[in-house]
Amino acid sequence: DQQVKQNSPSLSVQEGRISILNCDYTNSMFDYFLWYKKYPAEGPTFLISISSIKDKNEDGRFTVFLNKSAKHLSLHIVPSQPGDSAVYFCAANTNAGKSTFGDGTTLTVKP
Amino acid sequence: ETGVTQTPRHLVMGMTNKKSLKCEQHLGHNAMYWYKQSAKKPLELMFVYSLEERVENNSVPSRFSPECPNSSHLFLHLHTLQPEDSALYLCASSQETPRGVYNSPLHFGNGTRLTVT
Repeated sequence: DQQVKQNSPSLSVQEGRISILNCDYTNSMFDYFLWYKKYPAEGPTFLISISSIKDKNEDGRFTVFLNKSAKHLSLHIVPSQPGDSAVYFCAANTNAGKSTFGDGTTLTVKP
Repeated sequence: ETGVTQTPRHLVMGMTNKKSLKCEQHLGHNAMYWYKQSAKKPLELMFVYSLEERVENNSVPSRFSPECPNSSHLFLHLHTLQPEDSALYLCASSQETPRGVYNSPLHFGNGTRLTVT
């Protein structure tokens, strides 16, 4: 049973528009959530995180929203840039640590 | 050199070979991890070392043997692997918080692409 799901394998967005990447989880013990970005032939790099005591965290063009009742989080990128084209992974931690990852969503930002 | 470095980047080995993957982190972190990424599957945690002590072993077959000689180095020794072990193996490090939980972001290396023939 996959506890963290990214149901959209891919997303294509026009440059300058908003990109919204979604992630759903099933384990109510998750209390910390992270987004990573991965370029081809590179390892994932940390992007932004959010604690379960918050519902929003913003860092520049990136905002993560958490809806605990729906067990859903999303990553908003605005405005999207071609350099944002990558695979985005969401990850969830319990208070015992250990990140559980989703399958990833491939974002393509078209110029 | 900065960050997390993994060698080799690519490895092809037969099922009877013995090889090792190496990871080195230059971030002063106190926890290191091995993850496996197979095609069309999420990242799977294999091993966690905290302060050079293995604290997690996610039911990984014994043909994978980790070693952490110090807080900066991590190895994954491979022997008698199977073709289904072909995958991208990622090393990561993080700074464990005083609570002992791993909410600090992971810093990944670029991975070793392993092919077992």
